[in-house]
Amino acid sequence: AQSVAQPEDQVNVAEGNPLTVKCTYSVSGNPYLFWYVQYPNRGLQFLLKYITGDNLVKGSYGFEAEFNKSQTSFHLKKPSALVSDSALYFCAVRDLGRDSSYKLIFGSGTRLLVRP
Amino acid sequence: DTAVSQTPKYLVTQMGNDKSIKCEQNLGHDTMYWYKQDSKKFLKIMFSYNNKELIINETVPNRFSPKSPDKAHLNLHINSLELGDSAVYFCASSQDASSYNEQFFGPGTRLTVL
Repeated sequence: AQSVAQPEDQVNVAEGNPLTVKCTYSVSGNPYLFWYVQYPNRGLQFLLKYITGDNLVKGSYGFEAEFNKSQTSFHLKKPSALVSDSALYFCAVRDLGRDSSYKLIFGSGTRLLVRP
Repeated sequence: DTAVSQTPKYLVTQMGNDKSIKCEQNLGHDTMYWYKQDSKKFLKIMFSYNNKELIINETVPNRFSPKSPDKAHLNLHINSLELGDSAVYFCASSQDASSYNEQFFGPGTRLTVL
């Protein structure tokens, strides 16, 4: 089965500094990878995805992620953090379920705290 | 207009009761999902429907029964509620069941079983 790991429960960064939220994956075959963000008391919002092509993927709100096959990583990045970026971030990978339909497997989430 | 909506937003009930959560999407999507997010924020898929047909049924107690009256609606009925059912339940939808389409999530229903 496919899986993703988010090794950090929380990431703290000062506003204006670059941020990185880490994600590593374990898949058989080609990985389809996603990042979602969850603001307090809200549902998840899609940020970006890697399916194929360019290893650097650009997404919403100025976020980007770099797919690294040799390191099996898909880290989320932003050049300059905003206080409003403070939220819970989930990495996810496509998996084939026992019903032979595709589903998303989510990581455990990383809480990003951007201090003013 | 809200793309994916859920009702109710909060649900507090006693053990043993039966309750339902409703979900509607106005995106014209073919596929809908139910997820459970526990108190540690782990998110796990429960069910998925594509054009009213059940396509994903994870290892979920049979007290949970989804129902899709049409492709814009996916409801979740829970019988004989238990303490461990307390969680936030999210509905989501995607354009279709292919593996590369992103999913759009509803705001969640916080279920508390006393």
